[in-house]
Amino acid sequence: GAGVSQSPRYKVAKRGQDVALRCDPISGHVSLFWYQQALGQGPEFLTYFQNEAQLDKSGLPSDRFFAERPEGSVSTLKIQRTQQEDSAVYLCASSLARNTEAFFGQGTRLTVV
Amino acid sequence: AQSVTQPDIHITVSEGASLELRCNYSYGATPYLFWYVQSPGQGLQLLLKYFSGDTLVQGIKGFEAEFKRSQSSFNLRKPSVHWSDAAEYFCAVGARNTDKLIFGTGTRLQVFP
Repeated sequence: GAGVSQSPRYKVAKRGQDVALRCDPISGHVSLFWYQQALGQGPEFLTYFQNEAQLDKSGLPSDRFFAERPEGSVSTLKIQRTQQEDSAVYLCASSLARNTEAFFGQGTRLTVV
Repeated sequence: AQSVTQPDIHITVSEGASLELRCNYSYGATPYLFWYVQSPGQGLQLLLKYFSGDTLVQGIKGFEAEFKRSQSSFNLRKPSVHWSDAAEYFCAVGARNTDKLIFGTGTRLQVFP
């Protein structure tokens, strides 16, 4: 497709369950970002990839959060042992190169019950 | 530390009225500045950005913003609001040595006919 695609769009997880969120960036985009958006808040940075290299993971809130982009295209954000405070919309964005416009996906809404 | 403040949580205007959404930032050097719009259930769409040069920036959908270094502000304006402009608006600042964005908490715009 032409845009950033995220799946699933909605995920309900029981507390303690592991989840995996997928991001398909725009083809050819080098940079990929994950953001977390809690209800009523702005997006908060989680992590950044340049190709397959994870250059910044300073925003990951705990060691339960893990992201990968093994072939420099599709990325997966994994959350282990989900907690209620993990409930949020997880946004993925990609950009062609450094300092170029980032295009956002529609997000995955995660609800932990 | 970098931060973005959007003082207005919620703004209501009549269709056809002018609009100004406020944004103040804190950053040690000249930042990259952005305005994004988010409609319900949608991802973020870039309205405009400031990297350098002319401090008055034109964007899509008739929006413009002015970078004022002395006031650390990057306010978004539109001369005549349309009902379809109702959405959440986010101001963001980007560092020049990394591509991650720091977002404000957003301003919800409501438009009355």
